Amino acid sequence: KAGVTQTPRYLIKTRGQQVTLSCSPISGHRSVSWYQQTPGQGLQFLFEYFSETQRNKGNFPGRFSGRQFSNSRSEMNVSTLELGDSALYLCASSPDRVRGWRESGTGELFFGEGSRLTVL
Amino acid sequence: AQSVTQLDSQVPVFEEAPVELRCNYSSSVSVYLFWYVQYPNQGLQLLLKYLSGSTLVESINGFEAEFNKSQTSFHLRKPSVHISDTAEYFCAVSGYSGAGSYQLTFGKGTKLSVIP
Repeated sequence: KAGVTQTPRYLIKTRGQQVTLSCSPISGHRSVSWYQQTPGQGLQFLFEYFSETQRNKGNFPGRFSGRQFSNSRSEMNVSTLELGDSALYLCASSPDRVRGWRESGTGELFFGEGSRLTVL
Repeated sequence: AQSVTQLDSQVPVFEEAPVELRCNYSSSVSVYLFWYVQYPNQGLQLLLKYLSGSTLVESINGFEAEFNKSQTSFHLRKPSVHISDTAEYFCAVSGYSGAGSYQLTFGKGTKLSVIP
C-alpha cells in the first residue's frame, strides 16, 4: 500500500497570505488527523476528520481550518498567516472504525512526511 | 484528559552503549501506548506499541519498552545503540475521547544523539 502523501513538501509564504495543504491517506483509512510541529511547542493536535466530519479539534484559532472529501483526502487551510505559523505540518491517517470503542481501533497513526511551511 | 511527559529533551550516548528514554503518562481512562521515531526531515514512524497482553514490547531494530501501570511509565530501552539510531523519539498515549474517536497525545520528544 502507498503511504500517506502530503503536498507540497516545502513552501514559503509571506505574512497575511493564506495556504492550503493537502493530504492523501492510506487507502482504506477513513480518519485523517493534522498536527503542527514546532521546536518550541512540539507536536500539537490541530483536528481530526472522519467520514467528512470534524470529529476532534485542538486548541488553535479559527484561522486554521480543514475539510475532508468523500474519498478521505483532506486539506487544511491557514488564513492570514503569521510568522508563528512557520512549522512542519503533519498529516496522519488511521484505520479506526466508528462502531463503538470496543470495535474501534487503537488510535495508531500513520504519518506522512509533512509540509514545511515558512512564513516570512 | 491525558498527558505525556518525556523527562529528557536530549540524550547523548556513545555508540554500542545502552540507552533508556523515559516516558511517563497520565490518563483517567484505559490507554494504549506508542513510541514513534522521527529522522531528520521526515515524518513520524511507529517504533513499537503496547495495546494489551505482555507488558514488554519489542521493535524489529532492537528497541524494547515496558508498560508499568503502577508507575504510569513506558520507558524505551536499547542495550546497544548504533549511529543510525540518532533521531528524535516521541512517546504517545491514545485514549478514548468519545464518539468512536481516540485522541493521540504526544510528549515533547527526546533527541537521541549517538556519538561515534
